[in-house]
Amino acid sequence: AQSVTQLDSHVSVSEGTPVLLRCNYSSSYSPSLFWYVQHPNKGLQLLLKYTSAATLVKGINGFEAEFKKSETSFHLTKPSAHMSDAAEYFCVVTWYSSASKIIFGSGTRLSIRP
Amino acid sequence: EAQVTQNPRYLITVTGKKLTVTCSQNMNHEYMSWYRQDPGLGLRQIYYSMNVEVTDKGDVPEGYKVSRKEKRNFPLILESPSPNQTSLYFCASSLSVGGSSYNEQFFGPGTRLTVL
Repeated sequence: AQSVTQLDSHVSVSEGTPVLLRCNYSSSYSPSLFWYVQHPNKGLQLLLKYTSAATLVKGINGFEAEFKKSETSFHLTKPSAHMSDAAEYFCVVTWYSSASKIIFGSGTRLSIRP
Repeated sequence: EAQVTQNPRYLITVTGKKLTVTCSQNMNHEYMSWYRQDPGLGLRQIYYSMNVEVTDKGDVPEGYKVSRKEKRNFPLILESPSPNQTSLYFCASSLSVGGSSYNEQFFGPGTRLTVL
């Protein structure tokens, strides 16, 4: 069965330090992978997406993610955290064979310490 | 401005009183979807629509209905709401879903529903 797991429900980092939000998926098919961000009391906004082109994907606000097929992972990183990065982040997966099926991870809340 | 709108943004109602949450997009998107967001569970898909008059169940369709009579609108109907439907609801749309491509979804601002 297809699934997506965000390994941390909450991550806290200091401002200016690197961010790592982890996402693993399980799929029998080639996936499309996405990261969305949700700021408090806001809707969701696309950060970046992987759709079988380059495995290292760059997104908005300095975020990037690397698709690693051998590890079935799509971790989100940023070299230097900013206070405005505090938000909830969702890893999302869909598959070509049933492309109308979209699965969200349970979310990772990112807190930034001054 | 390209956007997905939802109304109402906040709603408090009582058990059994039928309600409709509207969703409209102005981007000529084919695909529309409804999600509910609950703490610790992420977003779960309720229903989706590939195009006009084409709808299908997502992961948690029980207690909900939808219709897609026009491309731009995709209302969510709760015929007899119950307290376990208290949640934050999001409507989303995208250009298309299927084949070898998937387009990003654009989300509405959310509707916070409380059923007493």
